[in-house]
Amino acid sequence: DTGVSQDPRHKITKRGQNVTFRCDPISEHNRLYWYRQTLGQGPEFLTYFQNEAQLEKSRLLSDRFSAERPKGSFSTLEIQRTEQGDSAMYLCASSLDSAGELFFGEGSRLTVL
Amino acid sequence: KNEVEQSPQNLTAQEGEFITINCSYSVGISALHWLQQHPGGGIVSLFMLSSGKKKHGRLIATINIQEKHSSLHITASHPRDSAVYICAVRDYGGSQGNLIFGKGTKLSVKP
Repeated sequence: DTGVSQDPRHKITKRGQNVTFRCDPISEHNRLYWYRQTLGQGPEFLTYFQNEAQLEKSRLLSDRFSAERPKGSFSTLEIQRTEQGDSAMYLCASSLDSAGELFFGEGSRLTVL
Repeated sequence: KNEVEQSPQNLTAQEGEFITINCSYSVGISALHWLQQHPGGGIVSLFMLSSGKKKHGRLIATINIQEKHSSLHITASHPRDSAVYICAVRDYGGSQGNLIFGKGTKLSVKP
């Protein structure tokens, strides 16, 4: 499978715990995006990378959230001290360049109890 | 008011019907995407367009830049077309990374 993969697909955690999601983009894609989607809403932009450089972060990305793409390949999104409001689907997408078509992963669903 | 508005929010159709989903936006854009999301979350990109019309199988997407409006048409609809269809735009004046998404149109096609 050469598509975008995300891990884990589902994560249930207790409030206050830290969680980390991983995204493996399509191998030659330079751009990698993270989005968050809550029930009944469209996705919301969180952050994106051009290779290893994080070029933009949304105001939604509080200081409890951090994202990395250390070697310009896979990316991780970490949420520290999770809150119930963090419960959502976290989506990753990649594209060849800034104008390219987006390819999405299956998403990582987070439930914070 | 959201920058990207979709209509209808929910749509139920009988198998074989012609379906139209509309998307209106209020910002200048460099591209518009139509996306399909099935239960379970995975999103598939259907079209990316900046002008005119594109066709893929039974799906047709059109865009009118002057009117800031796009439509997604499904001909001869089938139950497997049941999904949420999302319109998203890349704001021409904004960040290259920041797509603005509509809330989606939930389509249910009955056999």
